[in-house]
Amino acid sequence: QLVLTQSPSASASLGASVKLTCTLSSGHSNYAIAWHQQQPEKGPRYLMKLNSDGSHIKGDGIPDRFSGSSSGAERYLTISSLQSEDEADYYCQTWGTGIQVFGGGTKLTVL
Amino acid sequence: EVQLVESGGGLVKPGGSLRLSCAASGFTFSSCSMNWVRQAPGKGLEWVSSISGSTSYMFYADSVKGRFTISRDNAKNSLYLQMNSLRDEDTAVYYCTRGGPGSAGTTSYFDYWGQGTLVTVSS
Repeated sequence: QLVLTQSPSASASLGASVKLTCTLSSGHSNYAIAWHQQQPEKGPRYLMKLNSDGSHIKGDGIPDRFSGSSSGAERYLTISSLQSEDEADYYCQTWGTGIQVFGGGTKLTVL
Repeated sequence: EVQLVESGGGLVKPGGSLRLSCAASGFTFSSCSMNWVRQAPGKGLEWVSSISGSTSYMFYADSVKGRFTISRDNAKNSLYLQMNSLRDEDTAVYYCTRGGPGSAGTTSYFDYWGQGTLVTVSS
């Protein structure tokens, strides 16, 4: 079964870096994912598509502070030079034939 | 500029019906798969349904299968979701999303989101 697992929460200080993790279920370690950001009281926004080899395609206007990487079944979103507007929920998404799956989301708090 | 604008949400009683629409602009509509995603109050994102560019495939989450129908009109650049036999647990903000490049005939990630429309199912 295709499942994505995310930690419910994370926190980091203003100006620091944070690395969020999305883990693919067993047998699906070669799947690509996408990262989406949802700021408070707003709709989600696409950040990037992240492949198993770590290559990624960012959405329009996404700052260089956002980057992605991969290792085995883990997919990472790193945000550097954290700003207050980065405080948001972050969701990973993957897909297969006839199915779309979201992780439970990670709520990022910027201290 | 890609734009997705949902409409049609509102208050409906359990067992009732509602039809959501999504007006798309800024891209070749028929070249992309389209999708509906919902978010219940205080909860995470839940995929609802997907449709290919040529309507050759339509997929549904188990939670809505047999009750919801996705469709599109490529001449009008519009996506629809017909929701029947609505339940309390269908209460959510419903988002229209676009499938990524090359998604016309296959499932893909979502690269654009609308602003959402709220559906409330309550007696």
